[in-house]
Amino acid sequence: AQSVAQPEDQVNVAEGNPLTVKCTYSVSGNPYLFWYVQYPNRGLQFLLKYITGDNLVKGSYGFEAEFNKSQTSFHLKKPSALVSDSALYFCAVRAYNNNDMRFGAGTRLTVKP
Amino acid sequence: GAGVSQSPRYKVAKRGQDVALRCDPISGHVSLFWYQQALGQGPEFLTYFQNEAQLDKSGLPSDRFFAERPEGSVSTLKIQRTQQEDSAVYLCASSTSSGRAEEQFFGPGTRLTVL
Repeated sequence: AQSVAQPEDQVNVAEGNPLTVKCTYSVSGNPYLFWYVQYPNRGLQFLLKYITGDNLVKGSYGFEAEFNKSQTSFHLKKPSALVSDSALYFCAVRAYNNNDMRFGAGTRLTVKP
Repeated sequence: GAGVSQSPRYKVAKRGQDVALRCDPISGHVSLFWYQQALGQGPEFLTYFQNEAQLDKSGLPSDRFFAERPEGSVSTLKIQRTQQEDSAVYLCASSTSSGRAEEQFFGPGTRLTVL
């Protein structure tokens, strides 16, 4: 069975500082990994994904994520946080042979001016 | 262009009532997914359509839940004899192809409250 863990319910950073939102996963075989962001009263928006190849994936709004197979992690990062990055972030995994996508419980990111 | 739309956005039902939730995916998208998102949790997979074929309904929590996509575009999730534990946000998502590496585009969700 596939699963995702987001160990932090809440992450607080100051504007301009780097941010990291952590994600670890468990899946049989090669994983497809995704990050989504959810703003209030809006649907989830796709940020980036890892399929294969380069372990560092770049996505929307300056976000990037690093795939680490040995640590089964896919942490989301941004070099310089903006107040507008404040939102709920979800990590998700999908096995190559599975229809369902499994989401973590989410991490609420707050960026303070 | 138009994204995924869902209606109604909010639905209040009395326990025991039947409800129907509608999803309009992005035009031309082959795959359609339904998810249930409880308060403070991530979305949980309910069911998957490829065109009009329901290929996976392993996430449907009971036989009170039924989904259809008869013409391979609009989909309806129906919940019969609603219970309080059905209260959640129901999300619909679509993707361009059947590939499992494809990102999904989500609608704004329908918030169902069962009294």
